[in-house]
Amino acid sequence: EPEVTQTPSHQVTQMGQEVILRCVPISNHLYFYWYRQILGQKVEFLVSFYNNEISEKSEIFDDQFSVERPDGSNFTLKIRSTKLEDSAMYFCARRTGNTGELFFGEGSRLTVL
Amino acid sequence: EDKVVQSPLSLVVHEGDTVTLNCSYEVTNFRSLLWYKQEKKAPTFLFMLTSSGIEKKSGRLSSILDKKELFSILNITATQTGDSAVYLCAVENYNNNDMRFGAGTRLTVKP
Repeated sequence: EPEVTQTPSHQVTQMGQEVILRCVPISNHLYFYWYRQILGQKVEFLVSFYNNEISEKSEIFDDQFSVERPDGSNFTLKIRSTKLEDSAMYFCARRTGNTGELFFGEGSRLTVL
Repeated sequence: EDKVVQSPLSLVVHEGDTVTLNCSYEVTNFRSLLWYKQEKKAPTFLFMLTSSGIEKKSGRLSSILDKKELFSILNITATQTGDSAVYLCAVENYNNNDMRFGAGTRLTVKP
């Protein structure tokens, strides 16, 4: 099965700006996830999303972050006011069911200046 | 707190060598352990293990889980330069819906 498609592949932004990262899944996927990986560090869980609602979120996923699926297809991660430490690769991932393999998109690299 | 520890952190071998990568974990209410290969960008799925003692195999790669001793190994035989990557181990539990990753083992295979 194909992985999800993420856009943009790379975004450079100024500190304090809002950023929206997009994930375009195959329509029969129900479970979506956002992970991030700061350069040279571990892959970290941010949030999981099921049936158009957040099902879990980590301590990293604070009020600056939000997720939604505005049109029933694209799945977005918004960072309201970016900080330097938000610079990372952001991966969207999907599962068909609640268990089973987690498949990652190619990632969006965010650079905050 | 759930913990995933991978060893070694990095490994340099020559083509044809066999390598064993380790992943130990402490997870409450363990559900599964997954191995991923990360080259330039996204982690790509290799194996998912849920039961002890059952080896999963894909070509030159194989993996096994020991739920009593809380670890898994990933073996790669007859390594090739294309095996060079960071290998990630991740575990998940029944309590929540996230997946906790280890720091990875960076494997370099020299020609």
